[in-house]
Amino acid sequence: AQTVTQSQPEMSVQEAETVTLSCTYDTSESNYYLFWYKQPPSRQMILVIRQEAYKQQNATENRFSVNFQKAAKSFSLKISDSQLGDTAMYFCAFAEYSGAGSYQLTFGKGTKLSVIP
Amino acid sequence: DGGITQSPKYLFRKEGQNVTLSCEQNLNHDAMYWYRQDPGQGLRLIYYSQIVNDFQKGDIAEGYSVSREKKESFPLTVTSAQKNPTAFYLCASSMVGAHTEAFFGQGTRLTVV
Repeated sequence: AQTVTQSQPEMSVQEAETVTLSCTYDTSESNYYLFWYKQPPSRQMILVIRQEAYKQQNATENRFSVNFQKAAKSFSLKISDSQLGDTAMYFCAFAEYSGAGSYQLTFGKGTKLSVIP
Repeated sequence: DGGITQSPKYLFRKEGQNVTLSCEQNLNHDAMYWYRQDPGQGLRLIYYSQIVNDFQKGDIAEGYSVSREKKESFPLTVTSAQKNPTAFYLCASSMVGAHTEAFFGQGTRLTVV
Protein backbone atom coordinates (compact mmCIF):
# COMPACT_ATOMS: atom_id res chain seq x y z
CA ALA A 1 0.00 0.00 0.00
CA GLN A 2 1.11 3.53 -0.67
CA THR A 3 2.23 5.57 2.31
CA VAL A 4 2.32 9.32 2.79
CA THR A 5 4.27 10.75 5.72
CA GLN A 6 3.91 14.23 7.15
CA SER A 7 6.53 14.53 9.88
CA GLN A 8 5.33 17.83 11.38
CA PRO A 9 2.10 17.38 13.38
CA GLU A 10 1.93 21.09 14.21
CA MET A 11 3.60 24.27 12.96
CA SER A 12 3.18 27.98 13.48
CA VAL A 13 4.22 31.02 11.48
CA GLN A 14 4.00 34.75 11.91
CA GLU A 15 1.65 36.60 9.62
CA ALA A 16 3.38 37.69 6.37
CA GLU A 17 6.21 35.20 6.88
CA THR A 18 6.99 32.07 4.86
CA VAL A 19 6.50 28.50 6.06
CA THR A 20 7.29 25.11 4.51
CA LEU A 21 5.34 21.93 5.24
CA SER A 22 7.04 18.61 4.58
CA CYS A 23 5.70 15.46 2.93
CA THR A 24 7.34 12.25 1.82
CA TYR A 25 5.74 9.30 0.09
CA ASP A 26 6.55 5.77 -0.91
CA THR A 27 5.74 4.19 -4.25
CA SER A 28 7.26 1.91 -6.85
CA GLU A 29 5.34 3.58 -9.66
CA SER A 30 6.73 6.23 -11.96
CA ASN A 31 3.45 7.84 -12.94
CA TYR A 32 1.41 9.35 -10.12
CA TYR A 33 0.01 12.61 -8.83
CA LEU A 34 0.48 14.57 -5.64
CA PHE A 35 -1.81 17.05 -3.95
CA TRP A 36 -1.98 19.37 -1.00
CA TYR A 37 -5.41 19.84 0.56
CA LYS A 38 -6.38 22.40 3.19
CA GLN A 39 -8.98 21.78 5.91
CA PRO A 40 -9.89 24.96 7.80
CA PRO A 41 -11.87 24.88 11.07
CA SER A 42 -15.08 24.52 9.02
CA ARG A 43 -13.69 21.06 8.06
CA GLN A 44 -14.37 21.64 4.35
CA MET A 45 -11.52 20.09 2.37
CA ILE A 46 -10.13 22.38 -0.32
CA LEU A 47 -7.54 21.58 -2.97
CA VAL A 48 -4.53 23.89 -2.65
CA ILE A 49 -2.17 22.65 -5.33
CA ARG A 50 -1.52 19.66 -7.60
CA GLN A 51 1.68 18.19 -9.10
CA GLU A 52 2.08 15.61 -11.83
CA ALA A 53 5.06 13.30 -11.26
CA TYR A 54 6.08 13.40 -14.92
CA LYS A 55 6.51 17.17 -14.79
CA GLN A 56 9.84 18.44 -13.55
CA GLN A 57 8.60 21.98 -13.08
CA ASN A 58 7.29 22.70 -9.62
CA ALA A 59 3.63 23.74 -9.42
CA THR A 60 2.70 27.22 -8.22
CA GLU A 61 -0.65 28.72 -7.26
CA ASN A 62 -0.39 32.33 -6.14
CA ARG A 63 1.25 32.26 -2.67
CA PHE A 64 1.48 28.47 -2.65
CA SER A 65 4.30 26.54 -4.31
CA VAL A 66 5.76 23.08 -4.04
CA ASN A 67 9.26 21.65 -4.03
CA PHE A 68 8.93 18.29 -5.78
CA GLN A 69 11.98 16.04 -5.51
CA LYS A 70 11.04 12.84 -7.34
CA ALA A 71 14.19 10.88 -6.57
CA ALA A 72 13.86 11.67 -2.88
CA LYS A 73 10.08 11.11 -2.99
CA SER A 74 9.56 14.45 -1.33
CA PHE A 75 6.76 16.96 -1.90
CA SER A 76 6.90 20.01 0.35
CA LEU A 77 4.49 22.95 0.35
CA LYS A 78 5.70 26.52 0.74
CA ILE A 79 3.29 29.22 1.79
CA SER A 80 4.56 32.75 1.22
CA ASP A 81 3.19 35.91 2.85
CA SER A 82 1.16 33.83 5.32
CA GLN A 83 -2.33 35.12 6.10
CA LEU A 84 -4.62 34.46 9.03
CA GLY A 85 -6.94 32.58 6.69
CA ASP A 86 -4.19 30.05 6.05
CA THR A 87 -4.73 28.64 9.54
CA ALA A 88 -5.87 25.08 8.87
CA MET A 89 -4.91 21.42 8.73
CA TYR A 90 -2.90 20.67 5.62
CA PHE A 91 -2.94 17.19 4.12
CA CYS A 92 -0.54 15.81 1.58
CA ALA A 93 -2.16 13.26 -0.75
CA PHE A 94 -0.95 10.81 -3.35
CA ALA A 95 -2.88 9.21 -6.21
CA GLU A 96 -1.87 6.37 -8.43
CA TYR A 97 -3.48 3.70 -10.55
CA SER A 98 -4.57 0.78 -8.39
CA GLY A 99 -5.71 -1.65 -11.10
CA ALA A 100 -9.00 -2.54 -12.85
CA GLY A 101 -9.53 1.05 -13.90
CA SER A 102 -9.36 2.33 -10.35
CA TYR A 103 -7.34 5.09 -8.75
CA GLN A 104 -6.72 5.35 -5.03
CA LEU A 105 -6.11 8.62 -3.21
CA THR A 106 -4.07 8.22 -0.03
CA PHE A 107 -3.65 10.97 2.56
CA GLY A 108 -1.01 11.74 5.16
CA LYS A 109 -1.91 12.41 8.78
CA GLY A 110 -1.84 16.15 8.35
CA THR A 111 0.00 19.19 9.67
CA LYS A 112 -1.87 21.71 11.79
CA LEU A 113 -0.70 25.18 10.77
CA SER A 114 -1.40 28.22 12.92
CA VAL A 115 -0.78 31.71 11.57
CA ILE A 116 -0.02 34.13 14.39
CA PRO A 117 -0.97 37.81 14.07
CA ASP B 1 -25.10 24.87 -7.77
CA GLY B 2 -23.01 21.77 -8.36
CA GLY B 3 -21.59 20.06 -5.36
CA ILE B 4 -21.49 17.12 -3.04
CA THR B 5 -23.88 16.88 -0.12
CA GLN B 6 -23.58 14.80 2.99
CA SER B 7 -26.38 14.40 5.46
CA PRO B 8 -26.92 14.67 8.29
CA LYS B 9 -24.14 16.86 9.65
CA TYR B 10 -24.41 15.29 13.11
CA LEU B 11 -25.70 11.80 13.84
CA PHE B 12 -26.17 9.99 17.12
CA ARG B 13 -26.84 6.29 17.39
CA LYS B 14 -26.98 3.71 20.11
CA GLU B 15 -24.34 1.03 20.21
CA GLY B 16 -25.32 -2.06 18.24
CA GLN B 17 -27.45 -0.24 15.69
CA ASN B 18 -26.61 0.05 12.02
CA VAL B 19 -26.62 3.57 10.62
CA THR B 20 -26.47 4.87 7.04
CA LEU B 21 -24.71 8.07 6.03
CA SER B 22 -25.91 9.78 2.89
CA CYS B 23 -23.70 11.18 0.11
CA GLU B 24 -25.11 12.75 -3.05
CA GLN B 25 -23.30 14.59 -5.85
CA ASN B 26 -24.54 16.47 -8.91
CA LEU B 27 -21.12 16.99 -10.47
CA ASN B 28 -21.54 14.09 -12.92
CA HIS B 29 -18.49 12.43 -11.38
CA ASP B 30 -17.93 8.74 -11.92
CA ALA B 31 -15.74 8.16 -8.86
CA MET B 32 -16.88 8.45 -5.25
CA TYR B 33 -15.04 7.81 -1.99
CA TRP B 34 -15.65 7.47 1.72
CA TYR B 35 -13.00 8.49 4.23
CA ARG B 36 -12.87 8.33 7.99
CA GLN B 37 -11.07 11.09 9.88
CA ASP B 38 -9.87 10.64 13.45
CA PRO B 39 -7.66 13.06 15.39
CA GLY B 40 -4.01 12.46 14.51
CA GLN B 41 -4.90 9.85 11.88
CA GLY B 42 -5.51 11.92 8.80
CA LEU B 43 -8.02 10.57 6.28
CA ARG B 44 -8.29 6.83 5.91
CA LEU B 45 -10.05 5.28 2.92
CA ILE B 46 -13.04 3.07 3.70
CA TYR B 47 -14.52 2.31 0.26
CA TYR B 48 -14.37 3.75 -3.21
CA SER B 49 -16.31 3.32 -6.41
CA GLN B 50 -15.27 4.17 -9.94
CA ILE B 51 -18.51 3.21 -11.65
CA VAL B 52 -22.12 2.35 -10.87
CA ASN B 53 -22.68 -1.11 -9.36
CA ASP B 54 -19.00 -1.55 -8.59
CA PHE B 55 -16.91 -0.61 -5.56
CA GLN B 56 -13.65 -1.61 -3.88
CA LYS B 57 -12.53 -1.87 -0.28
CA GLY B 58 -10.12 0.70 1.02
CA ASP B 59 -7.72 0.35 3.92
CA ILE B 60 -10.30 0.14 6.72
CA ALA B 61 -13.42 -1.46 5.19
CA GLU B 62 -14.18 -3.86 8.05
CA GLY B 63 -17.51 -3.05 9.71
CA TYR B 64 -18.70 -0.87 6.81
CA SER B 65 -20.76 -1.49 3.70
CA VAL B 66 -21.64 0.61 0.66
CA SER B 67 -23.80 0.53 -2.43
CA ARG B 68 -23.61 2.37 -5.74
CA GLU B 69 -26.95 1.92 -7.47
CA LYS B 70 -26.93 5.40 -8.97
CA LYS B 71 -24.10 7.55 -10.25
CA GLU B 72 -25.14 10.39 -7.96
CA SER B 73 -25.36 8.44 -4.72
CA PHE B 74 -22.90 6.47 -2.58
CA PRO B 75 -24.36 5.73 0.87
CA LEU B 76 -22.21 4.29 3.63
CA THR B 77 -23.62 1.95 6.27
CA VAL B 78 -21.79 1.69 9.55
CA THR B 79 -22.69 -1.70 10.91
CA SER B 80 -22.69 -3.00 14.46
CA ALA B 81 -19.55 -4.93 13.55
CA GLN B 82 -17.53 -1.71 13.45
CA LYS B 83 -15.72 -1.69 16.80
CA ASN B 84 -15.13 2.04 17.11
CA PRO B 85 -17.60 3.87 14.86
CA THR B 86 -17.50 7.31 16.48
CA ALA B 87 -15.65 9.51 13.98
CA PHE B 88 -15.93 12.22 11.34
CA TYR B 89 -16.85 10.79 7.93
CA LEU B 90 -16.04 12.51 4.66
CA CYS B 91 -17.43 11.68 1.24
CA ALA B 92 -15.68 12.79 -1.93
CA SER B 93 -16.16 12.53 -5.67
CA SER B 94 -13.99 13.04 -8.72
CA MET B 95 -13.70 12.35 -12.39
CA VAL B 96 -11.96 9.03 -12.99
CA GLY B 97 -8.22 9.47 -13.21
CA ALA B 98 -5.37 9.90 -10.76
CA HIS B 99 -4.81 13.48 -11.83
CA THR B 100 -8.24 14.72 -11.01
CA GLU B 101 -9.23 16.86 -8.06
CA ALA B 102 -11.43 15.28 -5.42
CA PHE B 103 -14.35 17.39 -4.22
CA PHE B 104 -15.46 16.83 -0.65
CA GLY B 105 -18.72 17.08 1.21
CA GLN B 106 -19.06 18.90 4.52
CA GLY B 107 -18.77 15.68 6.49
CA THR B 108 -20.90 13.80 9.01
CA ARG B 109 -19.93 13.55 12.64
CA LEU B 110 -21.17 10.19 13.93
CA THR B 111 -21.36 9.61 17.66
CA VAL B 112 -22.27 6.19 18.98
CA VAL B 113 -23.37 6.09 22.60
